[in-house]
Amino acid sequence: QTVVTQEPSLTVSPGGTVTLTCASSTGAVTDASYPHWFQRKPGHSPRALIYSTSNKHSWTPARFSGSLLGGKAALTLSPVQPEDEADYYCLLYFGSAWVFGGGTKLTVL
Amino acid sequence: QVQLQESGPRLVKPSGTLFLTCSVSGDSISGVNWWSWVRQAPGKGLEWIGEISPTEVTKYNPSLESRVTISLDKSKNEFSLKVISVTAADTAIYYCARVLVDFKGFPNWGQGTLVTVS
Repeated sequence: QTVVTQEPSLTVSPGGTVTLTCASSTGAVTDASYPHWFQRKPGHSPRALIYSTSNKHSWTPARFSGSLLGGKAALTLSPVQPEDEADYYCLLYFGSAWVFGGGTKLTVL
Repeated sequence: QVQLQESGPRLVKPSGTLFLTCSVSGDSISGVNWWSWVRQAPGKGLEWIGEISPTEVTKYNPSLESRVTISLDKSKNEFSLKVISVTAADTAIYYCARVLVDFKGFPNWGQGTLVTVS
């Protein structure tokens, strides 16, 4: 069974920079995994931020960016705002199925 | 503006069948995009359940494939999820989502519905 791994938790100060990563148990993450990133706040549905590695939706704030970094998918926030405190999930494609990462709880303080 | 709304029983007995419907407005399920189901169990992360194309090609999470069926009702512009032989582990918030063709994202989600198996 394919496993997608994210940092369980990260803490960052307002105005700072943070990078969340997403790794695959099958090997390096590439553009062919079409990495997606979502933000999830309590009581709300997931909100799509990034698709296909680095593409932003029309509502995605400019401070969010997606990339590939060292064989992983990455989501960078800079500068971090207090309202960015949330859970973040990556999603990877494996040919016939999608797999979510376990999520990263981002704390801003 | 695309909107999705889940509906169905909130309580299902163990060993029973879970059935949810997602009503879609602002896009046709007969168009080009795919339609997906995702869930989140209490205290757990998001889990992709499966998806269906406008031509009714389906893809499922291998861990759930033996118990899950996703189907379209084109006359009502709805798609549905059926999970058989449910257990407490199937208790979760269930979301339906629109999946844009050519891997252009999951931009639209329903509000989610909590289904409890008890």
